[in-house]
Amino acid sequence: ILNVEQSPQSLHVQEGDSTNFTCSFPSSNFYALHWYRWETAKSPEALFVMTLNGDEKKKGRISATLNTKEGYSYLYIKGSQPEDSATYLCAFFDYGGSQGNLIFGKGTKLSVKP
Amino acid sequence: GAVVSQHPSWVICKSGTSVKIECRSLDFQATTMFWYRQFPKQSLMLMATSNEGSKATYEQGVEKDKFLINHASLTLSTLTVTSAHPEDSSFYICSARLTDTQYFGPGTRLTVL
Repeated sequence: ILNVEQSPQSLHVQEGDSTNFTCSFPSSNFYALHWYRWETAKSPEALFVMTLNGDEKKKGRISATLNTKEGYSYLYIKGSQPEDSATYLCAFFDYGGSQGNLIFGKGTKLSVKP
Repeated sequence: GAVVSQHPSWVICKSGTSVKIECRSLDFQATTMFWYRQFPKQSLMLMATSNEGSKATYEQGVEKDKFLINHASLTLSTLTVTSAHPEDSSFYICSARLTDTQYFGPGTRLTVL
């Protein structure tokens, strides 16, 4: 059974703080790792699709790194703002079967206080 | 671009009735759509993969006769929860794949009384 773990489960920071959280996933048969940002009552928003070991991707103040050999990815937010408050999901792409599918972690819920 | 809509956003129904949820890709065509379910404090779990013009592929433990999926066009997939029971109360969310990214709808909260 493929398992994707995210930590911490929740995080409370002050506006302006930088923060990071972790996603761990199976290190064998790696194909891709996805990060999503999910605000309440909205659709999960795709942030990054990461495929290469050592890769680092950036979108504004948010960046992510990938280590496929040890099976983890970090998501960093620099200078958190209240609008960054959301649940951040990571998902491991399992290529088994004809279509492949995403195996999700439970998410990290970030709250940024003004 | 790459917007997926889902309707309704929430529904309350009586036990034994059927509920249909629609998932639409608004600005792209999707031969494959996915249906997930999320119980409280759990992760999104794939229920089935919906393939345009062919039968859906269900994950282990998901009853295909209870969760009917129809993907009649390249922009629409529907999930019908038949003879719903309180244990079917959950959050259902669909996604559609475009290149290497899955785009999600906003989800449907189903409550079965």
